[in-house]
Amino acid sequence: GIQVEQSPPDLILQEGANSTLRCNFSDSVNNLQWFHQNPWGQLINLFYIPSGTKQNGRLSATTVATERYSLLYISSSQTTDSGVYFCAVVRGGADGLTFGKGTHLIIQP
Amino acid sequence: KAGVTQTPRYLIKTRGQQVTLSCSPISGHRSVSWYQQTPGQGLQFLFEYFSETQRNKGNFPGRFSGRQFSNSRSEMNVSTLELGDSALYLCASSTSGPVGGNTIYFGEGSWLTVV
Repeated sequence: GIQVEQSPPDLILQEGANSTLRCNFSDSVNNLQWFHQNPWGQLINLFYIPSGTKQNGRLSATTVATERYSLLYISSSQTTDSGVYFCAVVRGGADGLTFGKGTHLIIQP
Repeated sequence: KAGVTQTPRYLIKTRGQQVTLSCSPISGHRSVSWYQQTPGQGLQFLFEYFSETQRNKGNFPGRFSGRQFSNSRSEMNVSTLELGDSALYLCASSTSGPVGGNTIYFGEGSWLTVV
């Protein structure tokens, strides 16, 4: 099946810093989403972005489908940004989402 | 509009018992998928239902089953529970499913502990 690798696995930053999270995938995809898992376990959808660039406030994402990677940018980090960020893809056919192992982000005040 | 609703949120079961989890998707969504999250294996796809039919299944034993009703609500069942079934079970809904090129929304999950 398709492989999804996220980096870095852990990231500790001070409030106000910027960060870039990366997601590499091993095959072409027709669905790519970024999620933030909150402390209660819910996966909050951040972006649906199989290709191109999107922005939502302090967050933005870019997917270069031809090179099989996606980047999530977080600017001016806040403590509420802490949590685990997941990239998930669907290759095609009749598949569910395949998730990476996530990036655990800690924003210190 | 209301999000994806999962019940119960927390439950404790004994080895050998069975459990049923429920999921109500976002209104108008016909696809419901289930995922298991454990510290060791991460997030793994269980199965997807669309219009009351199972369209795809992940690599889980037959003890894991599900169904979808005509109102798109879905249930998943785990029989003969094992300690390793302790996990967060997440339900996701979308208009046309993971391969449909649409956004997928998750519920808050059901935390299952098997003792």
